[in-house]
Amino acid sequence: EVQLVESGGNLIQPGGSLRLSCVASGFTFSTYAMHWVRQAPGKGLEWLSYINSYNNVIYYADSVKGRFTISRDNAKNSLFLQLTSLRAEDTAVYYCARAASLGSYTDYWGQGTLVTVSS
Amino acid sequence: QSALTQPPSVSGAPGQRVTISCTGSSSNIGAPYDVHWYQQLPGKAPTLLIYANNNRPSGVPERFSGSKSDASASLAISGLQAEDEADYYCQSYDSSLTSVVFGGGTKLTVL
Repeated sequence: EVQLVESGGNLIQPGGSLRLSCVASGFTFSTYAMHWVRQAPGKGLEWLSYINSYNNVIYYADSVKGRFTISRDNAKNSLFLQLTSLRAEDTAVYYCARAASLGSYTDYWGQGTLVTVSS
Repeated sequence: QSALTQPPSVSGAPGQRVTISCTGSSSNIGAPYDVHWYQQLPGKAPTLLIYANNNRPSGVPERFSGSKSDASASLAISGLQAEDEADYYCQSYDSSLTSVVFGGGTKLTVL
């Protein structure tokens, strides 16, 4: 069974940093691309970042470029998102999701981890 | 402002058919890049509903169907059921933005 489990969400002050993790199981993680997507309270889905299976093609949404960093460790079946210079508008549930490629669909999503940016 | 435009809400009575539109542009749906649809039940993560315009993943009822024409796509739900009440999102790729794009989402209410 494919599973994606996010962790690392927390209450953090503006300007702070946080590292989110997503642990994959039930499939060969190293052969799939991955996305991070977030959803602010009561709002829609916002794509944040993409990383290919080889760890050498990365894209970011303009809203997080320069502040967030995506990475992966295929040996540990893990995906990461480093969040820095956090703002109140970054408050959201953060999801990791599996995909075949950048323009492909995301067929499995994690349950999400909540990041709250507030003083 | 989303690159893909969806109606904020639609509604229908049980048994009826409803459609949700997703309007894009020449840099995404019209490019043409595939459109995918997701269902998000209250308090849950999104799940894949339709992929590559008109394909249903295993386990998705035939009541759900997708179509695409030019720079727009549609999701149709026939034989509406109470359990279909959820938020629905379309997704594609935008070559001008070099990013994945989602529609703003449509809340389906079953009357």
